[in-house]
Amino acid sequence: NAGVTQTPKFRILKIGQSMTLQCAQDMNHNYMYWYRQDPGMGLKLIYYSVGAGITDKGEVPNGYNVSRSTTEDFPLRLELAAPSQTSVYFCASTSQGYGYTFGSGTRLTVV
Amino acid sequence: QKEVEQNSGPLSVPEGAIASLNCTYSDRGSQSFFWYRQYSGKSPELIMFIYSNGDKEDGRFTAQLNKASQYVSLLIRDSQPSDSATYLCAETGGTSYGKLTFGQGTILTVHP
Repeated sequence: NAGVTQTPKFRILKIGQSMTLQCAQDMNHNYMYWYRQDPGMGLKLIYYSVGAGITDKGEVPNGYNVSRSTTEDFPLRLELAAPSQTSVYFCASTSQGYGYTFGSGTRLTVV
Repeated sequence: QKEVEQNSGPLSVPEGAIASLNCTYSDRGSQSFFWYRQYSGKSPELIMFIYSNGDKEDGRFTAQLNKASQYVSLLIRDSQPSDSATYLCAETGGTSYGKLTFGQGTILTVHP
C-alpha cells in the first residue's frame, strides 16, 4: 500500500520554465489537495479536488493549474516559474476529513 | 479570512517534562482541529484530531478544545528527544470539503 506518491522529490527550474508535479494515491480517496510550505511557515492551500473532474482554487492558486481526470491522480502544473514559487509542495488526500495522508513532498527551487 | 495562530517558539523542554503547545483560531464555524508533527525535511504526520469541547487523550498526548475561547492545545507528557519536531495546528469547517487551514507551526526541542 503506497499511500500518496509524489514525484519528483527535488527539482531546480529556471525562471520561465514549466513543469508538472505528479501526485497519485491508491486509497480511493475522493478528496485531494496541493499545499505549499515556505521555510518556517505553515502550509497554504493551492488547489483542491473533491472528485474526478472537480477542482477548485485554494488560498494561493496564482501561477498554478490542476486537473483531476481520475480518482487516483492529481497533477499540479507550474507555468512560467518564478522565484516566488520556490517552496516545498505537498500533495495530500483524505476520504472522510479525519486528517490527511501526505505525500513525501517535492522541494522546488526556481533560479 | 480564516486564521490559525500558534504560540511563538521555539519551545525547549527537558526530557520527561510536559510540553504545552497552544493554538487559537478566528473562525467560530470551525468544527474539527488537528495536530500534526513534522520532522525536519519530512511531511506532516497526524498525531490527533478533536472536535468536541474538552480533552482527548491518546498515550502521552492530550488535545484540549475550548470552542468558547476558540482555543486548542496539545500536551505532551513525559517528553522524549524523539518528540523534537515542528508541531502544526490545523482546523476545518463543516462545509469546507476537508480543506485545512494551518498555523505557522511551533518548533519543539526536548533536551536530554
